[in-house]
Amino acid sequence: DAGVIQSPRHEVTEMGQEVTLRCKPISGHDYLFWYRQTMMRGLELLIYFNNNVPIDDSGMPEDRFSAKMPNASFSTLKIQPSEPRDSAVYFCASSLVASGNTIYFGEGSWLTVV
Amino acid sequence: GENVEQHPSTLSVQEGDSAVIKCTYSDSASNYFPWYKQELGKRPQLIIDIRSNVGEKKDQRIAVTLNKTAKHFSLHITETQPEDSAVYFCAAYDMRFGAGTRLTVKP
Repeated sequence: DAGVIQSPRHEVTEMGQEVTLRCKPISGHDYLFWYRQTMMRGLELLIYFNNNVPIDDSGMPEDRFSAKMPNASFSTLKIQPSEPRDSAVYFCASSLVASGNTIYFGEGSWLTVV
Repeated sequence: GENVEQHPSTLSVQEGDSAVIKCTYSDSASNYFPWYKQELGKRPQLIIDIRSNVGEKKDQRIAVTLNKTAKHFSLHITETQPEDSAVYFCAAYDMRFGAGTRLTVKP
């Protein structure tokens, strides 16, 4: 398997623009996670899905952030409008079971908002 | 939600020494405790994990111990090498991670 695939790998955008990050989980995995990593806040869980259904979105910072999983092989994390403080590495990850099985991370999307 | 506290935030050791990183959690329902290693510019990757029915698990120079009564678990690295230098994360219930420990192994 190719692992968790994220795109884009790097993005630089201007404040106010919409940003869409994409993720393809490992085939057969039924949990998908979105994390944000910054120096100040570490590795934060933003939201996770089970069988395409959002289970816990309490980590989503504010209404500017939204995530969808229209099918088992694709998810998006959208930021609209983007702000400089959104600059971070966004990781998508997937697993077979939320608690009790290995989570596999994608390579991350490095977002810079100027 | 679940809180996972990790200490220390930074740790510097001499090559060959041991390193210990500790995590505490609050949710007694937690039953799976993984440790991830993240090298600079790369993704976190699992290095060892333990389940609640086991008190200790070893894999070569790495071991994890679990105390469910006290709700803490620890990562032990023996005979540290420069390539062990990285950020280490613990996680507990619902796959929320600790703040991370930056380990530096000095040659």
